[in-house]
Amino acid sequence: KNQVEQSPQSLIILEGKNCTLQCNYTVSPFSNLRWYKQDTGRGPVSLTIMTFSENTKSNGRYTATLDADTKQSSLHITASQLSDSASYICVVSDRGSTLGRLYFGRGTQLTVWP
Amino acid sequence: EADIYQTPRYLVIGTGKKITLECSQTMGHDKMYWYQQDPGMELHLIHYSYGVNSTEKGDLSSESTVSRIRTEHFPLTLESARPSHTSQYLCASSESLGGTGTYEQYFGPGTRLTVT
Repeated sequence: KNQVEQSPQSLIILEGKNCTLQCNYTVSPFSNLRWYKQDTGRGPVSLTIMTFSENTKSNGRYTATLDADTKQSSLHITASQLSDSASYICVVSDRGSTLGRLYFGRGTQLTVWP
Repeated sequence: EADIYQTPRYLVIGTGKKITLECSQTMGHDKMYWYQQDPGMELHLIHYSYGVNSTEKGDLSSESTVSRIRTEHFPLTLESARPSHTSQYLCASSESLGGTGTYEQYFGPGTRLTVT
C-alpha cells in the first residue's frame, strides 16, 4: 500500500532556531517527492520538488533532502521566522499513470514562538 | 502565487440543500483536481479531470459530482448536503514540468463547508 508517514506530528520552536522535519514513504514506482507549506485555512504551496536523481534541493531557508534507497526525506528550516508557522506536508508522486497520482502525508504542524 | 480561485471561501448550509463549489484557473492547465481535507488529516483525491468533458472519480468515494465544460472551470456539486459532508474542499490544477513526467500542482485557497 502506498503510504507517506511524517514525523513529528507537531513541533514548537523559538524564532531563529533551526528544525528538521521527517518523511518516510512506501510509494512505488517512485516519481518525485514534494514538500508543501499549508497555512491555516489556505491551500498548500509548493516548496520543493525532487526527482529520483536529486538528493538535495533548496528554496531560500528551506532545504529538502531525499534518500531514494531508504525512501526517506527531510525538510530543514534554517533561522525560523514567525511566518514559518504552518503545516508542512510531504507528498510523493508515482509514475504508474499519466495522472501522476499524489500521495499526501498528514503534515507536521510547526509553531514558531517569538 | 497561482492563478486558481475558489468560491465561496466559507459556506454554512442546512441539511438537504444543493450546493455548488466553484473553481477556476487562468493558467490554461488541462488537468484539474478536487481534494477533501479534514483537520489534521491528509488530502484525499475525490475527483479529477484530464481536460474538457473528461471527469473521473478519485481515491476517496464521494457523493459529489463534477463537470468540465470549459478548460478553466471545474465546479463540484452536492445535490443534497449532509453533516458528513462537512470538510475543507481544495481545488488544484497542474502543468507538466517538461519531459520529466513531473507535474507541478497549484492549489486554490479552499472552501470550508459546514453542513448543519
